[in-house]
Amino acid sequence: DGGITQSPKYLFRKEGQNVTLSCEQNLNHDAMYWYRQDPGQGLRLIYYSQIVNDFQKGDIAEGYSVSREKKESFPLTVTSAQKNPTAFYLCASSDTGYWTKNIQYFGAGTRLSVL
Amino acid sequence: AQSVAQPEDQVNVAEGNPLTVKCTYSVSGNPYLFWYVQYPNRGLQFLLKYITGDNLVKGSYGFEAEFNKSQTSFHLKKPSALVSDSALYFCAVTLPAGNNRKLIWGLGTSLAVNP
Repeated sequence: DGGITQSPKYLFRKEGQNVTLSCEQNLNHDAMYWYRQDPGQGLRLIYYSQIVNDFQKGDIAEGYSVSREKKESFPLTVTSAQKNPTAFYLCASSDTGYWTKNIQYFGAGTRLSVL
Repeated sequence: AQSVAQPEDQVNVAEGNPLTVKCTYSVSGNPYLFWYVQYPNRGLQFLLKYITGDNLVKGSYGFEAEFNKSQTSFHLKKPSALVSDSALYFCAVTLPAGNNRKLIWGLGTSLAVNP
């Protein structure tokens, strides 16, 4: 899983609670991404960031929030507005080189469940 | 709409036999094409990519993929399958003209290699 660390590996959320998933990379990559993976649905993009202090919504951003205050870090908060948060969450990063950009490197994932 | 299709949810092959995992795409322009592999409860690992040049691309773990522009396909192949190749395989594409580095993902194909 390269230089991307996701924590925790397992997370449980109580109803009405916000939870934050951590993603840290030491690859010096500019771009970072958050995906949600559900069985049979592949990867769906939640948010992405191409540069510090800037981020864009992906395909399923409702009920989630992010920040990008440092190049190495891109935490994802699953808010109480997300009514079906149970899923496997994957963080990824990519660099800007011509031959390597668009290659995304993934963390090991966080499995979120609702109590 | 731009999309990636992996027409087979599951592929079964005997160990030692050749394997093919299919991918077709529908995007405008000349896309970059990727294959990733995911082992259970892990993040995705990059296998190979096509940007330009030779239509046959070689990647990690003995995998290769053939780009066919007329058929808009990018099938993943391996001459001799191993039991350890059993995993979930994802095809993805992106458009080089855009600089948002977003990938369009297929839904994945589960490969089972039987001893």
